[in-house]
Amino acid sequence: DTAVSQTPKYLVTQMGNDKSIKCEQNLGHDTMYWYKQDSKKFLKIMFSYNNKELIINETVPNRFSPKSPDKAHLNLHINSLELGDSAVYFCASSPRDREGEQYFGPGTRLTVT
Amino acid sequence: KNEVEQSPQNLTAQEGEFITINCSYSVGISALHWLQQHPGGGIVSLFMLSSGKKKHGRLIATINIQEKHSSLHITASHPRDSAVYICAVCDTGNQFYFGTGTSLTVIP
Repeated sequence: DTAVSQTPKYLVTQMGNDKSIKCEQNLGHDTMYWYKQDSKKFLKIMFSYNNKELIINETVPNRFSPKSPDKAHLNLHINSLELGDSAVYFCASSPRDREGEQYFGPGTRLTVT
Repeated sequence: KNEVEQSPQNLTAQEGEFITINCSYSVGISALHWLQQHPGGGIVSLFMLSSGKKKHGRLIATINIQEKHSSLHITASHPRDSAVYICAVCDTGNQFYFGTGTSLTVIP
């Protein structure tokens, strides 16, 4: 009965590879987000999707592309991985018109070697 | 300058002590969150505030909208409270800003 789930929990890969992180929420929320937490533990929003439409795209390299097959899923695809992409990536969701009420996934620790 | 500033950055307390973590922000907000991140990495939302005060168990969160300031208090602290506490605000344009976190260690 997990509310927001992410897979995988850990991902170790080499520079130049392409990888995806999956996120699913069973809360019926309309908006989903991807956040990046760097080595200094600072959280920064990357993307926000509202009912399958991108509504926020911060200054994130275009190697990162969110893909939302339906309202319950927001996957993060990363091309040509770089060392600096190593971080913990968190997915979150929020109800319609209550974007301040966010539910976080457990995080995916990505390590690029 | 970060839109959300937290203090202190690091805090060590003896078990049983009363703890306060402060958060100041510079944008107009629709909501403020206090988040807890344990060493294992998962993030839990403790409180969402838009005014006043909320209490949950030994945790109390207050917000002063006029002063753009919020505090998180922990009464009778316990080693299991050891975690990073993050203040986050959602501005009136639904943009999220995060503080850099306060790392709390409670010693038995």
